[in-house]
Amino acid sequence: GQQLNQSPQSMFIQEGEDVSMNCTSSSIFNTWLWYKQDPGEGPVLLIALYKAGELTSNGRLTAQFGITRKDSFLNISASIPSDVGIYFCAPGGSQGNLIFGKGTKLSVKP
Amino acid sequence: DTEVTQTPKHLVMGMTNKKSLKCEQHMGHRAMYWYKQKAKKPPELMFVYSYEKLSINESVPSRFSPECPNSSLLNLHLHALQPEDSALYLCASSHNSVSNQPQHFGDGTRLSIL
Repeated sequence: GQQLNQSPQSMFIQEGEDVSMNCTSSSIFNTWLWYKQDPGEGPVLLIALYKAGELTSNGRLTAQFGITRKDSFLNISASIPSDVGIYFCAPGGSQGNLIFGKGTKLSVKP
Repeated sequence: DTEVTQTPKHLVMGMTNKKSLKCEQHMGHRAMYWYKQKAKKPPELMFVYSYEKLSINESVPSRFSPECPNSSLLNLHLHALQPEDSALYLCASSHNSVSNQPQHFGDGTRLSIL
């Protein structure tokens, strides 16, 4: 079966720092989506990627669809406290379903 | 505010009860989804409806029964659930069920089985 690896599993951020996370897969996908989930809420779509090599920004967020179509990264620049939450990559499966990564939990440095 | 509305937000039920979860969207989307999410885990797909017809059932136990009365509504009927069914149940919708369509999620129903 296909494997989807998201890393890091968790990370601590200090306000103003840049953050990077990525997902790699053993399978090729046509779509990569990135979601953020806050406690008690559903996942919210951040960025959608549709073409290999595509680089897309949404404010301080930048995501890229890997050339091989097997990976994607998400960068957050100049992090702020409200960036805390769980980030999921979700490539699109062949039947229209989404396959979610295990998530990257962003927390504030103590 | 999410454009996918789920009710109720919280539900506590016994193992012999029958209850229903409801989901509504008015974005004109023709694909709707049910996901189950356990604590500290990603959402797991349960069912996909495309144009009001069930297109994917991810081997979900029959104690979960989905229903799509029309293009805006999606229900999940629950009967004889087990404690391990306690989870956040998320509904999502997309323009259609083609793989490149982003899904928009509701805030979920937090279900607790006593």
